[in-house]
Amino acid sequence: EPEVTQTPSHQVTQMGQEVILRCVPISNHLYFYWYRQILGQKVEFLVSFYNNEISEKSEIFDDQFSVERPDGSNFTLKIRSTKLEDSAMYFCASSPDRFTDTQYFGPGTRLTVL
Amino acid sequence: AQSVTQLDSHVSVSEGTPVLLRCNYSSSYSPSLFWYVQHPNKGLQLLLKYTSAATLVKGINGFEAEFKKSETSFHLTKPSAHMSDAAEYFCVVSDQGYSSASKIIFGSGTRLSIRP
Repeated sequence: EPEVTQTPSHQVTQMGQEVILRCVPISNHLYFYWYRQILGQKVEFLVSFYNNEISEKSEIFDDQFSVERPDGSNFTLKIRSTKLEDSAMYFCASSPDRFTDTQYFGPGTRLTVL
Repeated sequence: AQSVTQLDSHVSVSEGTPVLLRCNYSSSYSPSLFWYVQHPNKGLQLLLKYTSAATLVKGINGFEAEFKKSETSFHLTKPSAHMSDAAEYFCVVSDQGYSSASKIIFGSGTRLSIRP
């Protein structure tokens, strides 16, 4: 069964450094998402992406965040200058089309900012 | 605006006894409702989904959930708990098909513990 994959599984970085989290959505899916889960807190929506542009973003998704689909398979989340409070589990998800709102999640990337 | 409330942060049951994880929602439109499970150090796995077809939805691993519009509830049940059910469970709501990309809203999660 097709799966969403994410790399790396764990990323440790110094405060102020840039990080790129990578996701490979399910191949025939058209909608892509990033969520984050700070330890002990709810899973929070960050951004949705369709047709090479952002569809919707939350207030969390400020100017330090960006998303990109650099090729036909990868979907990336970049954090330009990491802060301690960016430490969280980041989940990528994808869904086939606008009529199917089931989202399929990857295993997550645990980001630790020191 | 949609919201979802999971009424219990932690539920503990004995192996072989029934499981009930409670969820209430609010939504402006016809909601789609989901339950996801997260095992320790694992990603989010879809357990089941409700989309207005049948009010009783059967999912994987023997779980099921009943949509009750009058009570705005979507509680998750299982007749007999297994040790492998120990995990975090999330109730999720989504507005169906009104935006180009559905934004789903997670509940705060319920940690299910199973006693031997």
